[in-house]
Amino acid sequence: GEDVEQSLFLSVREGDSSVINCTYTDSSSTYLYWYKQEPGAGLQLLTYIFSNMDMKQDQRLTVLLNKKDKHLSLRIADTQTGDSAIYFCAGSSGAGSYQLTFGKGTKLSVIP
Amino acid sequence: DAGVIQSPRHEVTEMGQEVTLRCKPISGHNSLFWYRQTMMRGLELLIYFNNNVPIDDSGMPEDRFSAKMPNASFSTLKIQPSEPRDSAVYFCASSFEVNYGYTFGSGTRLTVV
Repeated sequence: GEDVEQSLFLSVREGDSSVINCTYTDSSSTYLYWYKQEPGAGLQLLTYIFSNMDMKQDQRLTVLLNKKDKHLSLRIADTQTGDSAIYFCAGSSGAGSYQLTFGKGTKLSVIP
Repeated sequence: DAGVIQSPRHEVTEMGQEVTLRCKPISGHNSLFWYRQTMMRGLELLIYFNNNVPIDDSGMPEDRFSAKMPNASFSTLKIQPSEPRDSAVYFCASSFEVNYGYTFGSGTRLTVV
């Protein structure tokens, strides 16, 4: 099955860029995802990338995928205090699999 | 669209009592998932339904846990009897095609004392 690893904490200053990293083990994962969880809320899908892409940009968010190293990153440009949350990386557990395996989440703290 | 709706938002119960958590998925979604989130173990998949049929319940921790999906618009997760170690946030999520990710509900925070 899939295993997804993330660092637990990241602290950045408001206005700087944040980079949240993730590694995964299942090279057959078709899609990889980033979710955001604010306190007391459920997980919100931020973006996803198809495995045949290297990069995807969506406004302030940039996702980079290095399939060779099984490394996924989420860059948030011009980080705001509202970006403070826990960010989860997730991958599917194999081609056509229904199950997403989530990392333990990276808590992003934005310092004003 | 109101999204995935879970109830109750918070539940406090005494050990040994029965607890029922409820979920209404997004209309048109054919897959439903129950997850449990704790600080120690992160997000754990408990059970997955497709077209109202349980496909994988290997994540259900023990026989005290049961889940049903009597129709496409409703699912329940029951714990009987509840124990303090069941305290967690329980999330329901639904999807149409898993490749487009899941939509999560706001969760039920369960505290068993």
